[in-house]
Amino acid sequence: DTAVSQTPKYLVTQMGNDKSIKCEQNLGHDTMYWYKQDSKKFLKIMFSYNNKELIINETVPNRFSPKSPDKAHLNLHINSLELGDSAVYFCASSRHRGSSGGTDTQYFGPGTRLTVL
Amino acid sequence: AQKVTQAQTEISVVEKEDVTLDCVYETRDTTYYLFWYKQPPSGELVFLIRRNSFDEQNEISGRYSWNFQKSTSSFNFTITASQVVDSAVYFCALSIIQGAQKLVFGQGTRLTINP
Repeated sequence: DTAVSQTPKYLVTQMGNDKSIKCEQNLGHDTMYWYKQDSKKFLKIMFSYNNKELIINETVPNRFSPKSPDKAHLNLHINSLELGDSAVYFCASSRHRGSSGGTDTQYFGPGTRLTVL
Repeated sequence: AQKVTQAQTEISVVEKEDVTLDCVYETRDTTYYLFWYKQPPSGELVFLIRRNSFDEQNEISGRYSWNFQKSTSSFNFTITASQVVDSAVYFCALSIIQGAQKLVFGQGTRLTINP
């Protein structure tokens, strides 16, 4: 039983194309995230959604558009792909913090390695 | 601004040696959370531990132990009697409460355990 899944695992495409990465979680979480890991392994948050509402949007080019059809899914669509978009993209999910303000652990998907030629 | 620094880029030890991975963080928040994640060669990110800023007790889980010291803003990770399967990139992360739990990661430490 995969907790956080992503498809595809590998994506190779030409510059200028449009592509999507899908993410699904079966943990019952209501907050989902996209992170980017560059070639030097550095991980940085891109977006976060809570109950289909965008709550974090880092300084990401507007070619990147997340879409959350429901709280178990968060997809990432990328327009006009550029060489610099080559990276591993990780989806994650967590429970939203309650009134206690506690922070819950984020669980990550297996990653999608995107290569732009 | 929040920041996590893992000064050790790469560590290489022989199996059965003990090894400590350092993590230093910066934050002005009084309430925060610290995490360690493991990224084995297969690429996934595996959660290891979460610690909140109010709990400075050290934690031990099998061969893994963590030392949290607020006075030095450090959250170090020790593997005792290392094994080849411990070879991975290890990330320390800080959680900022900003609507959702935004993780700020360190640069990672690549640990290689040689047989």
